[in-house]
Amino acid sequence: ELKVEQNPLFLSMQEGKNYTIYCNYSTTSDRLYWYRQDPGKSLESLFVLLSNGAVKQEGRLMASLDTKARLSTLHITAAVHDLSATYFCAVSGTYKYIFGTGTRLKVLA
Amino acid sequence: DAGVIQSPRHEVTEMGQEVTLRCKPISGHDYLFWYRQTMMRGLELLIYFNNNVPIDDSGMPEDRFSAKMPNASFSTLKIQPSEPRDSAVYFCASSLAGGRETQYFGPGTRLLVL
Repeated sequence: ELKVEQNPLFLSMQEGKNYTIYCNYSTTSDRLYWYRQDPGKSLESLFVLLSNGAVKQEGRLMASLDTKARLSTLHITAAVHDLSATYFCAVSGTYKYIFGTGTRLKVLA
Repeated sequence: DAGVIQSPRHEVTEMGQEVTLRCKPISGHDYLFWYRQTMMRGLELLIYFNNNVPIDDSGMPEDRFSAKMPNASFSTLKIQPSEPRDSAVYFCASSLAGGRETQYFGPGTRLLVL
């Protein structure tokens, strides 16, 4: 059974600092997705990573995928308050998506 | 495209009443998913459809829950009778090609059962 684990579950960080969120999954999958959810809102697609070594960047967020290690990372550079949200990774299973538990990020001024 | 559309956005009902949630997927998407999100249990997949056919309903919590997709542009999730523990945000999402393409979420229906 495909399982997805994220860590940390909660992350409180100062503005301007860098940090990384980790997403591990248990069985082979060639697609990984990152989503963002603001409080009281829906999930918004951030990145899709399609192959080993894939790297995508948008503003202060950079996502990467290592399919051999079954690991994806979401790196935050010089965090700002607007990045405060919950971040989910999801792995493609057989016709469906397996979501991680989410990482709740709070960026403190 | 308008994205995934859900209605109602908010629903408050009393225990024992029937609740019907509605979803219109993105045009052309052949997969439709229903999720439930709570603080305690996180995001749970309830059921998904491919070309209007239910493929996996193993996440449906009880027989009180049922879902239909009568055509490619409409799906319903029904709870009958509703209970307070059903209070949650229910999301509908759609995608092309199942897990092979990005899944897009609707705004959600916030359900409160008193």
